[in-house]
Amino acid sequence: DTEVTQTPKHLVMGMTNKKSLKCEQHMGHRAMYWYKQKAKKPPELMFVYSYEKLSINESVPSRFSPECPNSSLLNLHLHALQPEDSALYLCASSQDPRNEQFFGPGTRLTVL
Amino acid sequence: EDQVTQSPEALRLQEGESSSLNCSYTVSGLRGLFWYRQDPGKGPEFLFTLYSAGEEKEKERLKATLTKKESFLHITAPKPEDSATYLCAVQENTPLVFGKGTRLSVIA
Repeated sequence: DTEVTQTPKHLVMGMTNKKSLKCEQHMGHRAMYWYKQKAKKPPELMFVYSYEKLSINESVPSRFSPECPNSSLLNLHLHALQPEDSALYLCASSQDPRNEQFFGPGTRLTVL
Repeated sequence: EDQVTQSPEALRLQEGESSSLNCSYTVSGLRGLFWYRQDPGKGPEFLFTLYSAGEEKEKERLKATLTKKESFLHITAPKPEDSATYLCAVQENTPLVFGKGTRLSVIA
């Protein structure tokens, strides 16, 4: 299995909702990442988990809360988002933080 | 100053018209340079990793090369299905630093 899966593919939520994005990989990778991507822009790093510990938080607002339940799973909990948070949210994984990253298909998030 | 600069921003080619995309970088201690392909609304697809100057990698119509200051992605006889945004990313420590990408359109 050489892929990263993400659910849901699309999500529409109001500013008062709480929702979660999920990411899974079964490649035995020990680093996992959340990125945010706006249209016609490169991916922007949000969080890095290395060996199930949060190692990088790129000054992301607290309305985004990551969680790594085990080495194969990564969640992103969303609460009280703003319309400007609408974007494609990408999950990625790598063997360790020094290796190439493999991306999932993304979750298209729309905040109304 | 951007650490990673890709050029051109957009490129339009006729089918079969070979060309090159450029990625220049200013990081001093390069640990790796990565090329990705991204289709609209999808996640980036990993293409190549280059670690040291002089290294080359090939895959079908694509060939990536690396010097001490830049990398090239050569596309030979492109087809319409090669149309995508090509992203370059460099790693000095962690995390990756992405360029803004080159949007390639190949016209039949």
